[in-house]
Amino acid sequence: NAGVTQTPKFRVLKTGQSMTLLCAQDMNHEYMYWYRQDPGMGLRLIHYSVGEGTTAKGEVPDGYNVSRLKKQNFLLGLESAAPSQTSVYFCASGLADRSYNEQFFGPGTRLTVL
Amino acid sequence: KQEVTQIPAALSVPEGENLVLNCSFTDSAIYNLQWFRQDPGKGLTSLLLIQSSQREQTSGRLNASLDKSSGRSTLYIAASQPGDSATYLCAGTYSSASKIIFGSGTRLSIRP
Repeated sequence: NAGVTQTPKFRVLKTGQSMTLLCAQDMNHEYMYWYRQDPGMGLRLIHYSVGEGTTAKGEVPDGYNVSRLKKQNFLLGLESAAPSQTSVYFCASGLADRSYNEQFFGPGTRLTVL
Repeated sequence: KQEVTQIPAALSVPEGENLVLNCSFTDSAIYNLQWFRQDPGKGLTSLLLIQSSQREQTSGRLNASLDKSSGRSTLYIAASQPGDSATYLCAGTYSSASKIIFGSGTRLSIRP
């Protein structure tokens, strides 16, 4: 099992450019999450999905869109990148059971917006 | 407001010592508490998950405890090794599998 994979690993964008980050999991998890991690801010939830075809906003959703057309994939889009979106982005997946929703993380995408 | 706090932010100990990392949470209505390890430039690796009905979980040299009444969880590392050097984060799940609150982590350094 590959677990949770993310592409790309690194990306540099100019302000105003768009891009899509791809997350894939092979554990048949219902829940998938997108986080950003910034120094001094910890991990913050951007968007999440409770199943194929569903998405919901997290703590910091502005400037991002997501889609989950297939159960194993969760895409994070930036329509018009801003320097404030420079961060490390992590995808995670887990079960829908709130008592046992062990989260599995991908290796991260380091994004720099100039 | 539900908050998860980890103190200290950084800790340095000599190799071989037993050590305890702390995690505190403000809302005791927690469904589970998960401990993660993060190496520099890497993603988070799940270490232990304690369900609210449990008091502790063990994996090798790691033991995690959960005390909902006091709002505390601890991660005990026995016989520390330089390879244990990493940032350790705790996270609590509330109300649903999407309501997960992370602590800011403790950066652990084990001196050879």
